[in-house]
Amino acid sequence: ETGVTQTPRHLVMGMTNKKSLKCEQHLGHNAMYWYKQSAKKPLELMFVYNFKEQTENNSVPSRFSPECPNSSHLFLHLHTLQPEDSALYLCASSQEFGTGGKVDYGYTFGSGTRLTVV
Amino acid sequence: KQEVTQIPAALSVPEGENLVLNCSFTDSAIYNLQWFRQDPGKGLTSLLLIQSSQREQTSGRLNASLDKSSGRSTLYIAASQPGDSATYLCAVRPFSGGYNKLIFGAGTRLAVHP
Repeated sequence: ETGVTQTPRHLVMGMTNKKSLKCEQHLGHNAMYWYKQSAKKPLELMFVYNFKEQTENNSVPSRFSPECPNSSHLFLHLHTLQPEDSALYLCASSQEFGTGGKVDYGYTFGSGTRLTVV
Repeated sequence: KQEVTQIPAALSVPEGENLVLNCSFTDSAIYNLQWFRQDPGKGLTSLLLIQSSQREQTSGRLNASLDKSSGRSTLYIAASQPGDSATYLCAVRPFSGGYNKLIFGAGTRLAVHP
């Protein structure tokens, strides 16, 4: 497989459930991201991981818990979600060269997980 | 705070027309600007990436320009086809606020009818 793969494609969960979203990139990139896309709103950055270390948490509620065990895999653990958390969750990766991001070949996104909280 | 605006929000055109989609950003201190395409309910597909030192990039029927000093980019689509129907997003990578994050516009929803 190539690119960025997200599973599952669709997920319906109750507010008391615990589930996880998975993202895998086959591009050899060293940075990975979670974005949230709600209806009629711009994409919102949730978390950034550089070299497996979390470098950004964009004021995301604690019911979303990211995990990056290695530079190729990224998870988003979900628990006690609210109906307003229903959205398309997108994973992305990029290759970062040192600080400042002066050399950048852009971001590659996965196909997303459509999450519905009931 | 960097903000990205895309105009128009929606566009409906007959097949064969040449189109211009606009993107503006408030802070010219960016590393690059990237145009994406998103089909309904799907992820983002990268179309073109323009580095801050570049003026334009081309891929097939697509041409994107960047005027960093005025905070504007345009995506030109030549001879539009029904398969071009999608939402087009532009995103900038700013110097400030964390060196590797993208700031997105809300998108232009394009419909090309036969």
